[in-house]
Amino acid sequence: GAVVSQHPSRVICKSGTSVKIECRSLDFQATTMFWYRQFPKQSLMLMATSNEGSKATYEQGVEKDKFLINHASLTLSTLTVTSAHPEDSSFYICSAHRSGSNQPQHFGDGTRLSIL
Amino acid sequence: QKEVEQNSGPLSVPEGAIASLNCTYSDRGSQSFFWYRQYSGKSPELIMSIYSNGDKEDGRFTAQLNKASQYVSLLIRDSQPSDSATYLCAVTNYGGSQGNLIFGKGTKLSVKP
Repeated sequence: GAVVSQHPSRVICKSGTSVKIECRSLDFQATTMFWYRQFPKQSLMLMATSNEGSKATYEQGVEKDKFLINHASLTLSTLTVTSAHPEDSSFYICSAHRSGSNQPQHFGDGTRLSIL
Repeated sequence: QKEVEQNSGPLSVPEGAIASLNCTYSDRGSQSFFWYRQYSGKSPELIMSIYSNGDKEDGRFTAQLNKASQYVSLLIRDSQPSDSATYLCAVTNYGGSQGNLIFGKGTKLSVKP
């Protein structure tokens, strides 16, 4: 089955630090990757859609200069939370979509980010 | 605005019973429908996909789709305590084959031993 690897699984760091999260599709080429954020007991919130070789599309209310997304290859997308603050503490989850209709998204294991 | 609605629950069923999870969607152009299971603190895991009207069975899981009623459901037979999780319904019309999913807020299922 489709495997998506997300790293790191947990980050604890000081306020003001920039944090980079990697999302890799291990056994398929992902033309599109998605980044979600989930606060405790809340539903998944789509932050941005990342297409290989082009700029990410951000959802309303998500600061593109705060959450930098790079999708340099068909198997790797990165999310960098710049100058993170305690309110950025959340569970960040990536997913990858194999090109073609009727293909589901496959999720990484998520990154729990805690900003002190 | 495209919406996916689910009863938030919690839905509580005894072990061995059938759990029935329901989902409605607003976009008549929706073509693909998915059920994801999410354990607390974990990321969603795909458990079922369905694309045409009718039933689709996979082990203890049966997905049902009725496009005329814009309704999709998931039945879990012989429910086990390990099935206790939040179940997310997701739909897409795959405009441009980008795979954008619209998620419901999820139904929390609790299976009591």
